[in-house]
Amino acid sequence: EADIYQTPRYLVIGTGKKITLECSQTMGHDKMYWYQQDPGMELHLIHYSYGVNSTEKGDLSSESTVSRIRTEHFPLTLESARPSHTSQYLCASSDRGVHYGYTFGSGTRLTVV
Amino acid sequence: SQQGEEDPQALSIQEGENATMNCSYKTSINNLQWYRQNSGRGLVHLILIRSNEREKHSGRLRVTLDTSKKSSSLLITASRAADTASYFCATVEKDYGGATNKLIFGTGTLLAVQP
Repeated sequence: EADIYQTPRYLVIGTGKKITLECSQTMGHDKMYWYQQDPGMELHLIHYSYGVNSTEKGDLSSESTVSRIRTEHFPLTLESARPSHTSQYLCASSDRGVHYGYTFGSGTRLTVV
Repeated sequence: SQQGEEDPQALSIQEGENATMNCSYKTSINNLQWYRQNSGRGLVHLILIRSNEREKHSGRLRVTLDTSKKSSSLLITASRAADTASYFCATVEKDYGGATNKLIFGTGTLLAVQP
């Protein structure tokens, strides 16, 4: 079944650690996105990609980085986690063209202690 | 900055009643979309309305779009307890409509449907 997967679902980690949040989709979508969402708040776009080897920063400044080496895989990395990075991170993908909705993963809830 | 604001921020109704949520946005758009988010989970796409459309239906959902007022509304008829969730509108801005179709989200409405 075509879907988008995020791992881990929950992550509690100490300050200064390097972390990678995984996102994979099986739909062959060219476009992929990372959003950050605090509890009860709106979503903010932090990174997006419209194909292999293409990545762009979103509207909200983020210390994270992303890579897109394969179509299906769009991992997000924090080199040195801080408590201010505590949030929910949502990955999404969409088909080519303008008039398509996004498919979202279940999210990773990150807590940095 | 966020594209849109939603109104109300929170809404509590009884099962069987209709729920109406409103969304306003700032720029010219290619389309407007509505999503549902259950607590702590990812978002689910509900419906998309293009800028040249005024109304669209999908099951118990009815969406309207007024581009002159830069506003949209989502109506859920005959609500059920399972409709309890946060609802977000999101827009694809016309400037970005070509390559990326970046979605810019509104602030969301928290809907609680009491059994």
